[in-house]
Amino acid sequence: DAGVTQSPTHLIKTRGQHVTLRCSPISGHKSVSWYQQVLGQGPQFIFQYYEKEERGRGNFPDRFSARQFPNYSSELNVNALLLGDSALYLCASSSRTAQETQYFGPGTRLLVL
Amino acid sequence: AQSVTQPDIHITVSEGASLELRCNYSYGATPYLFWYVQSPGQGLQLLLKYFSGDTLVQGIKGFEAEFKRSQSSFNLRKPSVHWSDAAEYFCAVGGGSNYKLTFGKGTLLTVNP
Repeated sequence: DAGVTQSPTHLIKTRGQHVTLRCSPISGHKSVSWYQQVLGQGPQFIFQYYEKEERGRGNFPDRFSARQFPNYSSELNVNALLLGDSALYLCASSSRTAQETQYFGPGTRLLVL
Repeated sequence: AQSVTQPDIHITVSEGASLELRCNYSYGATPYLFWYVQSPGQGLQLLLKYFSGDTLVQGIKGFEAEFKRSQSSFNLRKPSVHWSDAAEYFCAVGGGSNYKLTFGKGTLLTVNP
């Protein structure tokens, strides 16, 4: 079975632009979580979605939003990009929201110029 | 609030030597603990996890970790390191109804021939 897939793999944007990142979970998994990993740091939790509903949100501004579709894939949107948004964005899927292992995709590398 | 501390930013070992990576956590209830490994430019791969039961857990690639509640630790070990083990290692904590993982800042492992 395929693992978690993310697209695109790399992205370059300029300040003030908008970006959409996409994630497809492991088949059968209904929960998707998003993490931001800045260079030299561990991943930071952004959102978790389960059955198309937001179940948790980390300490990120409202410029960050996400949604989950009926097929359990997910999009992460970031508006009004700042230089500090440059990071590796990781998507993880699990079969339930809690008490389950999260399996990570390869990530999308975003560079904001 | 939950937190993870990985005291060693960078560790260098010789191939064939033993390895121990330290992880200390703070969590208000019974924690779920994870070790993930990340190769340069890649996503996170799960090495092993602890939910309950035997405090010594075995993972992939010959890694093991021991949960010590009294010390709030979950150290990762390997008896003989291979050059392919060179990567960054992240410890993470979650658990109960908590939907997010909190990661440490990571330990970069260099393996000398």
